[in-house]
Amino acid sequence: GAVVSQHPSRVICKSGTSVKIECRSLDFQATTMFWYRQFPKQSLMLMATSNEGSKATYEQGVEKDKFLINHASLTLSTLTVTSAHPEDSSFYICSASPRDRVSYEQYFGPGTRLTVT
Amino acid sequence: GDSVTQMEGPVTLSEEAFLTINCTYTATGYPSLFWYVQYPGEGLQLLLKATKADDKGSNKGFEATYRKETTSFHLEKGSVQVSDSAVYFCALSYPGTASKLTFGTGTRLQVTL
Repeated sequence: GAVVSQHPSRVICKSGTSVKIECRSLDFQATTMFWYRQFPKQSLMLMATSNEGSKATYEQGVEKDKFLINHASLTLSTLTVTSAHPEDSSFYICSASPRDRVSYEQYFGPGTRLTVT
Repeated sequence: GDSVTQMEGPVTLSEEAFLTINCTYTATGYPSLFWYVQYPGEGLQLLLKATKADDKGSNKGFEATYRKETTSFHLEKGSVQVSDSAVYFCALSYPGTASKLTFGTGTRLQVTL
């Protein structure tokens, strides 16, 4: 149980285009979903926290107009990288926190490798 | 702010060797501490956790003790296996604050026969 999927697992796009990444909790409802960014040989950096039905809370330094997050249902959150540039190339990971469990449990997706050319 | 520092990897061990991965933290309050593991091609999985000082988390032969006096949460295993090869992340969080996790940089473990 507690499986989180991400789609796509890998995407290559051209500079200036937008890319959408989906994060789904497959067998539970997630009150909260988190989006992280991981640079090579660096830790995961929290980008934003999204709660179903409300606006995402972005961490300091993360551009909300560039990284659009939508949490339309209790099982789906999307991250759209708008007008992508090569510096946005990274590994993006989502996690989900079940609504019926203690607040600190998070289940992670396998990540999405974004390459902007 | 809060931070987590892990020993740099990669750590290369022979099968059945003893493993220690150091983790220290800086926190303004009293966080819960975690070890996550990321196997190749997979997402992070919670390996073990401890929610208060002197608690010992354990799972799959791994263990870590929450040491408030040294602000440490070192991961240990008495006898590693090839299947333990992965990246290990130390992290902290405060329950009740949207479960934000602060991660260390991760330590890659490679176990050879």
